[in-house]
Amino acid sequence: GENVEQHPSTLSVQEGDSAVIKCTYSDSASNYFPWYKQELGKRPQLIIDIRSNVGEKKDQRIAVTLNKTAKHFSLHITETQPEDSAVYFCAASMSSGYSTLTFGKGTMLLVSP
Amino acid sequence: GAVVSQHPSWVICKSGTSVKIECRSLDFQATTMFWYRQFPKQSLMLMATSNEGSKATYEQGVEKDKFLINHASLTLSTLTVTSAHPEDSSFYICSAPPQSPGGGNYGYTFGSGTRLTVV
Repeated sequence: GENVEQHPSTLSVQEGDSAVIKCTYSDSASNYFPWYKQELGKRPQLIIDIRSNVGEKKDQRIAVTLNKTAKHFSLHITETQPEDSAVYFCAASMSSGYSTLTFGKGTMLLVSP
Repeated sequence: GAVVSQHPSWVICKSGTSVKIECRSLDFQATTMFWYRQFPKQSLMLMATSNEGSKATYEQGVEKDKFLINHASLTLSTLTVTSAHPEDSSFYICSAPPQSPGGGNYGYTFGSGTRLTVV
């Protein structure tokens, strides 16, 4: 089955700095890669996603890049703000059928004012 | 958009009792529901997949007799934790897969989660 590795497990940055979280996946059949932000005790919130036919996607301060050959994808947050502090999870799945998401272990991002 | 309502949001029960968690799809029919468990400071781990009209599929290491999953209708999936023990205390969350994978809708819909504490 799919295995998703995520690094780092914790990331501390100063407000205004950029933050980068990296993930690798094992199953070359995976073709959908979402990123979720989860606050304590709440459901994961989708912040951005990318499909395997796209190399990069950007939404305001958030961007995701995908390297299919190397089987890794990254989340980039620019101009970080204290409210960006949360746990971020990457995930992978196959879009065909009803495939489950396989999650990375998560990154706790702390943005200090 | 698609909404999954999960209840209860939190529950405290005594060891040895059973607890039922419900997930309802409010504006769509969910033929499949994924059930995850999340321990503190850990990731979401898939426990089982429920399918309307057939038996649930359990992940390796998950006791099917302890975690009873029923997909009673196209809008309701339930997880019952039987004979609960303190080590079952966790955050349980359901998720419906994208409603039209082939059509480009890749969004998974999550319930709000249930915090189970067994004392």
